Amino acid sequence: GQNIDQPTEMTATEGAIVQINCTYQTSGFNGLFWYQQHAGEAPTFLSYNVLDGLEEKGRFSSFLSRSKGYSYLLLKELQMKDSASYLCGHPANTGFQKLVFGTGTRLLVSP
Amino acid sequence: GAVVSQHPSWVICKSGTSVKIECRSLDFQATTMFWYRQFPKQSLMLMATSNEGSKATYEQGVEKDKFLINHASLTLSTLTVTSAHPEDSSFYICSATRASVGNSPLHFGNGTRLTVT
Repeated sequence: GQNIDQPTEMTATEGAIVQINCTYQTSGFNGLFWYQQHAGEAPTFLSYNVLDGLEEKGRFSSFLSRSKGYSYLLLKELQMKDSASYLCGHPANTGFQKLVFGTGTRLLVSP
Repeated sequence: GAVVSQHPSWVICKSGTSVKIECRSLDFQATTMFWYRQFPKQSLMLMATSNEGSKATYEQGVEKDKFLINHASLTLSTLTVTSAHPEDSSFYICSATRASVGNSPLHFGNGTRLTVT
C-alpha cells in the first residue's frame, strides 16, 4: 500500500523549532518529498530524500529512515510566514513522477 | 519564476455547464502531466495522469467521462469538467516535471478554484 500519515495540525511560536513527522508504507520506495502549501496556493517544493539521513537547506531540514518508513521536516527559527500546510509525499508504485500525498500538516505559527 | 502555468485562476459556473482548465509547461516539454483535486482543508488527491498523444489514465473513483483530459502538445494539457455540479467545486491543480532531468521535483501550477452554483 501507499499509506502516508502525518499529524493534522501543529502550532508553534515564532523563533521556535518544530518537527513534522511523516510515516509511510510503500512496496517500492523511490524517495520522499516535502512540499509547502499556503492556503489557496499551489504547493512548492521543499526537499527530496532518497537516502537515509538528514538533508539541510537553510532553516529547513528533512530526515529519512527507509528501514523505519519514517521522515520528518524540521523547521528552525520559525517565522510567521511559515504558517502553511506541509505535505509529505512519495512517488506512486506505478510511476516516479506520479506523487501521492499524505493529508498534510497545517502549521500555525503564532507571535 | 513559475515553470507551470494554469488558467484560469478561478472560475464560477452554473450547474450543468462545462469548464475547461489549461495547464502549460512554460520552458520545458512535459510528456506527462498530472491533475490533482483538493477540497478545503484536505490534501491533494491525484485524479489522473495526462499523457501526450495518448489517453489519460485515471485514478480509481474518478469518472473519465466527467473529467475529460486532452494532452495535445508537449506543453499543454487541458482538463474539462463536464456537466459540472456543486459537488465538483474544488481547487484543481496540475503538475509537471522536467522528465529529462533525473529525480526532478514536480512543479505545480497555481491552481484553479472552481465554484459551481
